[in-house]
Amino acid sequence: GEDVEQSLFLSVREGDSSVINCTYTDSSSTYLYWYKQEPGAGLQLLTYIFSNMDMKQDQRLTVLLNKKDKHLSLRIADTQTGDSAIYFCAEIGKGSTLGRLYFGRGTQLTVWP
Amino acid sequence: DAGVTQSPTHLIKTRGQQVTLRCSPKSGHDTVSWYQQALGQGPQFIFQYYEEEERQRGNFPDRFSGHQFPNYSSELNVNALLLGDSALYLCASSSPGQGGNVLTFGAGSRLTVL
Repeated sequence: GEDVEQSLFLSVREGDSSVINCTYTDSSSTYLYWYKQEPGAGLQLLTYIFSNMDMKQDQRLTVLLNKKDKHLSLRIADTQTGDSAIYFCAEIGKGSTLGRLYFGRGTQLTVWP
Repeated sequence: DAGVTQSPTHLIKTRGQQVTLRCSPKSGHDTVSWYQQALGQGPQFIFQYYEEEERQRGNFPDRFSGHQFPNYSSELNVNALLLGDSALYLCASSSPGQGGNVLTFGAGSRLTVL
């Protein structure tokens, strides 16, 4: 099946930028997603990018997509302590219907004051 | 506008028992997907329901079954519970006609099997 890889931990100081990286396997993925999960909570969609785009910006969030290397990144500008959470990268796999996503294990982001 | 609601939020069962989890999709959504999230892992797709039928299934045994009702709400049933079934079960809803590429998740039902 599809394999989405993420580094498990990232630690940054408040006010700095955070960059969370992800690699995926299915070159035919049409959509790629970033979700946020706070302790004891469900998943909150942060942003998504369509595969014909290289970049998408939404306020403090910037998503970069490198289809050649199958690499996706999420940059959070001016990171705040409230951004501390687990961030999941996900793709829609080949032949999958909408609604079937393949997730990475998540990156635990810790923001220090 | 209520989002996706799930019940119960927490429950404890013993091995061999059966459990039913419930999900109400976001208003306007007609498709429900279920995911299992074990501790320290990303969510894994169990199955998806649309028009009261299972449309796609992940790599889960037949002990996992589901149902969708005419009002689009859904149930997940797990029979003969194993310790390894302990996890957070997430329901997500979407609508092909309304940006179906975007899933809205509920807060989940945390199942502990003793």
